[in-house]
Amino acid sequence: NAGVTQTPKFRVLKTGQSMTLLCAQDMNHEYMYWYRQDPGMGLRLIHYSVGEGTTAKGEVPDGYNVSRLKKQNFLLGLESAAPSQTSVYFCASFGDTGELFFGEGSRLTVL
Amino acid sequence: DAKTTQPNSMESNEEEPVHLPCNHSTISGTDYIHWYRQLPSQGPEYVIHGLTSNVNNRMASLAIAEDRKSSTLILHRATLRDAAVYYCILREDSYDKVIFGPGTSLSVIP
Repeated sequence: NAGVTQTPKFRVLKTGQSMTLLCAQDMNHEYMYWYRQDPGMGLRLIHYSVGEGTTAKGEVPDGYNVSRLKKQNFLLGLESAAPSQTSVYFCASFGDTGELFFGEGSRLTVL
Repeated sequence: DAKTTQPNSMESNEEEPVHLPCNHSTISGTDYIHWYRQLPSQGPEYVIHGLTSNVNNRMASLAIAEDRKSSTLILHRATLRDAAVYYCILREDSYDKVIFGPGTSLSVIP
């Protein structure tokens, strides 16, 4: 039981490049979330999903797209990366106990 | 969305109790009160949650005001490892948007 796993953990991009962050959970959770955390700040919700095939916008969705084709995976995409998207990205999923499980984070730098 | 307010920072001496306050005056009857903490360079981790009654677990206690407009996370004996940012959030029963505020940065003084 690995919990919530994020891939990759570190990535450096040039402005305009695209990439996808993968979040995988093996706990059969319905609800999954993507957050970003800028230095010295709290977490801000980007997008979330309440089940396979569903996605919804959070607080800061612009510049990101998401997909939930399989229940265990929640993908976060950047089509054209910008320096303002330099951040640490956290994925999380909700369990039946009401506990939110977080991944270790993915550190993205856009030059 | 219901919101919470917390002090930006607090200090505590090691081995003393810590009371971290949270105000949520617009809470609805079905909102659960959750606490998470984030150690430096790590993802947030669950601490405790409750609805109406006070709750205890191995990490902490959660005291909820009778009118539910405020709550307090109690660390019974602070250790250096408890130095972290503590987030108080509200979760609707529907599990939809889960919004974090800036949290309280707790420093523990040896």
